[in-house]
Amino acid sequence: EPEVTQTPSHQVTQMGQEVILRCVPISNHLYFYWYRQILGQKVEFLVSFYNNEISEKSEIFDDQFSVERPDGSNFTLKIRSTKLEDSAMYFCASRELAGTVNEQFFGPGTRLTVL
Amino acid sequence: GNSVTQMEGPVTLSEEAFLTINCTYTATGYPSLFWYVQYPGEGLQLLLKATKADDKGSNKGFEATYRKETTSFHLEKGSVQVSDSAVYFCALNQAGTALIFGKGTTLSVSS
Repeated sequence: EPEVTQTPSHQVTQMGQEVILRCVPISNHLYFYWYRQILGQKVEFLVSFYNNEISEKSEIFDDQFSVERPDGSNFTLKIRSTKLEDSAMYFCASRELAGTVNEQFFGPGTRLTVL
Repeated sequence: GNSVTQMEGPVTLSEEAFLTINCTYTATGYPSLFWYVQYPGEGLQLLLKATKADDKGSNKGFEATYRKETTSFHLEKGSVQVSDSAVYFCALNQAGTALIFGKGTTLSVSS
């Protein structure tokens, strides 16, 4: 069964460093998402991406964040200068354009720890 | 704005007990409602969904009914198993936009 994959599973970084979180969505999916979950809090939407551009973003997704689909299979989230409060679990998700509308398929997550 | 409120956990049950996890929502219009489950070490998996009022979503013995009059989507299962131990998330969205999640409820089932 096709699935969304994410790497790495755990990333530890120093405050101020850049990190890139990687996702491989399901191959025939066209919408891509990033969500995050700070420990003990809600899963929060960051950004959605369609047709090589951002289609929706939340207030959390400020200038420190960027997304890219560099090669037709990967979907990346970059944080330019990490802060302590960026420590969270980051989930990637994807969905088809048509068919089972609204169903998003999630990856296992990347746990980011900023020291 | 739209929001989802779930009952606080953890919920601890014995095998074969009845499960209810409460979920209420605030939204304009007619959102779609979902329950996602996260097993240890895995991603979020769609458990069930309902897209209009009075719809009942069901899967793996779990059920939830979209109640517009009470803005609720409570998750129920008649007889839980140890393998149901996981974190359960209630969520909504509108017209294919981003999902809005509740905080999640941890369920622990012992034999």
